[in-house]
Amino acid sequence: DAGVTQSPTHLIKTRGQQVTLRCSPKSGHDTVSWYQQALGQGPQFIFQYYEEEERQRGNFPDRFSGHQFPNYSSELNVNALLLGDSALYLCASSLGGRNVATQYFGPGTRLTVL
Amino acid sequence: AQSVTQLGSHVSVSEGALVLLRCNYSSSVPPYLFWYVQYPNQGLQLLLKYTSAATLVKGINGFEAEFKKSETSFHLTKPSAHMSDAAEYFCAGSEADSSYKLIFGSGTRLLVRP
Repeated sequence: DAGVTQSPTHLIKTRGQQVTLRCSPKSGHDTVSWYQQALGQGPQFIFQYYEEEERQRGNFPDRFSGHQFPNYSSELNVNALLLGDSALYLCASSLGGRNVATQYFGPGTRLTVL
Repeated sequence: AQSVTQLGSHVSVSEGALVLLRCNYSSSVPPYLFWYVQYPNQGLQLLLKYTSAATLVKGINGFEAEFKKSETSFHLTKPSAHMSDAAEYFCAGSEADSSYKLIFGSGTRLLVRP
């Protein structure tokens, strides 16, 4: 049973560029959440997708956007990259969209902005 | 609004000694609480979760945590540390019935001395 997968594992971009990160949820899961983990900090919630809609959003600017596909996979897009966007981006999947549902995390994508 | 505080960014114990990692939460409603572990260059793995059932929660790898409402705490313990327990540990919470996001503490790095 495949867990949560993310691609790519590492990415290097320059300021002002755009980036797309991808996530495939654990088999049977229909909800995807994205988190940003800066070096030495805990993960910060970006947003959650359920039934192809953004259901809840954290304190991130509109440069951060996402999408969920009918097969429940998801993309995170970041426009106009800033140095401060350098972080580990974690995707988590869960079942049914309930807040009590356990979120299972992928290995993350390490984004470096130069 | 909920917040999660982890006391001690680093905890060092000897192999075989008791592990105690501290977590306090603030919430206006009964929370759901989680402990995750993160090994270097990996995503987060769920250790255990509290969802208002038993206050003493047992998790994987011999870890357990006790929910104490009077102290607003959810400390993680393990009777005997192993070298393989060395990792970063995160406490996280979600407000019951009102939010889907996980709010993470800043993490505690556990060092295990031989």
